[in-house]
Amino acid sequence: DGGITQSPKYLFRKEGQNVTLSCEQNLNHDAMYWYRQDPGQGLRLIYYSQIVNDFQKGDIAEGYSVSREKKESFPLTVTSAQKNPTAFYLCASSRGQTGNTIYFGEGSWLTVV
Amino acid sequence: GIQVEQSPPDLILQEGANSTLRCNFSDSVNNLQWFHQNPWGQLINLFYIPSGTKQNGRLSATTVATERYSLLYISSSQTTDSGVYFCAVIDYGNNRLAFGKGNQVVVIP
Repeated sequence: DGGITQSPKYLFRKEGQNVTLSCEQNLNHDAMYWYRQDPGQGLRLIYYSQIVNDFQKGDIAEGYSVSREKKESFPLTVTSAQKNPTAFYLCASSRGQTGNTIYFGEGSWLTVV
Repeated sequence: GIQVEQSPPDLILQEGANSTLRCNFSDSVNNLQWFHQNPWGQLINLFYIPSGTKQNGRLSATTVATERYSLLYISSSQTTDSGVYFCAVIDYGNNRLAFGKGNQVVVIP
């Protein structure tokens, strides 16, 4: 089945540790995105990538890093520099430029303990 | 950037009732999407509707781009309709989707 797979679904991290969230898509989409969602809030864009080997900062990129070495994969690293990393993280993809229909993965819950 | 406002923020429905959710946006757009986030966090794309009206089962959506709003109609609501409904529009100024804060809908049996 075509779709977007995020892993892990649930992750606990100790303060001061980096953690990487995986996002893989088999939709042959060029564009991929990472969003953060806090309880009761909307979605905020962390990073996005329109093509392989290129990515752009979103609204809240500080404390995060990404890579786009393959079209199918767009991993997000939450670094120790992120002051308040506990949140729900959503990966998404779309066929081309922003504005095409966007599809989301099931999300990853990150809790810092 | 574009401002997206959704109303009402919270809505409780009796099963079988109808409802209308509204999305206002601050600038002209030619792209609007509605999403449903279920209680487990999964976001599903409901409609891609830059203008006009579309229907999908008990859900329908209308966008009047010239007046900068879109409406999502839920008819004969079911408990599975519970969740948060988001609208999003493209902000060409910074080339990204701008999301509203969502409509939290709870359908009670």
